[in-house]
Amino acid sequence: DVKVTQSSRYLVKRTGEKVFLECVQDMDHENMFWYRQDPGLGLRLIYFSYDVKMKEKGDIPEGYSVSREKKERFSLILESASTNQTSMYLCASRTDEQTGTSGSNEQFFGPGTRLTVL
Amino acid sequence: QKEVEQNSGPLSVPEGAIASLNCTYSDRGSQSFFWYRQYSGKSPELIMFIYSNGDKEDGRFTAQLNKASQYVSLLIRDSQPSDSATYLCAVRGTSYDKVIFGPGTSLSVIP
Repeated sequence: DVKVTQSSRYLVKRTGEKVFLECVQDMDHENMFWYRQDPGLGLRLIYFSYDVKMKEKGDIPEGYSVSREKKERFSLILESASTNQTSMYLCASRTDEQTGTSGSNEQFFGPGTRLTVL
Repeated sequence: QKEVEQNSGPLSVPEGAIASLNCTYSDRGSQSFFWYRQYSGKSPELIMFIYSNGDKEDGRFTAQLNKASQYVSLLIRDSQPSDSATYLCAVRGTSYDKVIFGPGTSLSVIP
């Protein structure tokens, strides 16, 4: 059974704090993603990684950084948390290969971390 | 113009009816199209994908794609209360790596 786990389901931090969100997948997937999800805005891509130590900016990278030192782990870092970073953060992973005959190349999501910055 | 657009809803249908969810996209070179279902408080899960023009059926779900009109839809037949969720349309464009998600349509199936 495929699995993507995230370090926390709920997190409360104060403005200015450094925040680490961790994501681990056990599917040996090459690609990993960090999204944030806000009402009315849908899922927005923050950063993604297609290989160890590789990273690419998504649509809203400002205020965030990432780290991928091992294939199974992708960390999202908020260097100095701000109230506008209060959101649901979702990690996902995806293989490079087509999935059997389905060809869906599905993204598998973790359970999400609801971050509140006070 | 947003890259992937959906009606936000909420869309309410009676149990047993057909629910029709619509999505339009702006990148004419888009290759693959996905429908994810997201229950409240849960993460999205893939329910359908399509990459060829026409219809694709899987159980009570049918995805329809019209690349000329840049339009993809999801039909849910014999809707059940357990189908009540937010449905996210996602599109992989010419950049293979990135999948763009729409804002989602909230569906409520009334018993």
